[in-house]
Amino acid sequence: EVQLVESGGGLVQPGGSLRLSCAASGFTFSSYWMSWVRQAPGKGLEWVANVKQDGSQKFYVDSVRGRFTISRDNAKNSLYLQMNTLRVEDTAVYYCAREPVGFDSWGQGTLVTVSS
Amino acid sequence: QAVLTQPSSLSASPGASASLTCTLRSDINVGTYRIYWYQQKPGSPPQYLLRYKSASDNHQDSGVPSRFSGSKDASANAGILLISGLQSEDEADYYCMIWHSSAWVFGGGTKLTVL
Repeated sequence: EVQLVESGGGLVQPGGSLRLSCAASGFTFSSYWMSWVRQAPGKGLEWVANVKQDGSQKFYVDSVRGRFTISRDNAKNSLYLQMNTLRVEDTAVYYCAREPVGFDSWGQGTLVTVSS
Repeated sequence: QAVLTQPSSLSASPGASASLTCTLRSDINVGTYRIYWYQQKPGSPPQYLLRYKSASDNHQDSGVPSRFSGSKDASANAGILLISGLQSEDEADYYCMIWHSSAWVFGGGTKLTVL
């Protein structure tokens, strides 16, 4: 069974940093593109970033490019999102998602709250 | 103008059919895109339903009832999620998505009410 478990969310002040992790199991992690998708409270879905199987290609939504960094450790079956210079508008539930063609599996999400 | 536009809400009766539209911005042609559809219920992550590009290029996730199907309306430059035989459990938010300009783009979502 495919499992994706996010962690690392919490309350952080504007301008602060946070690192999210996603532990994957039940599939060959190194064979899949992986993504982060977020959802602000009461709002729709917004894709944040994705990374190729070997980490050699990464794409970001314009609003986080230069502030967020996606990475992965295939030996640890883990996906990461380093978030710097956080803004109030980054407040959201962050999901990691497996990406064979589109997103076929999602984690339960971790809440990031940016507030003073 | 947003890349993908979905009506914010739609209501339909149990047993009826609901057609959820996802309209692409006028400068991009629906014919060239795979359109993905997701269902999200309150408090849960989204669930993949299906993708549709053409009759020969489409996929439905295992476990998704055949009541759910995808199509396109080229004249409206839109993707369509058709749900037939509506059931109360179909009440949810529905999102469309495409890969455009090196980014995944979601529509704003449609809240489907079954009443």
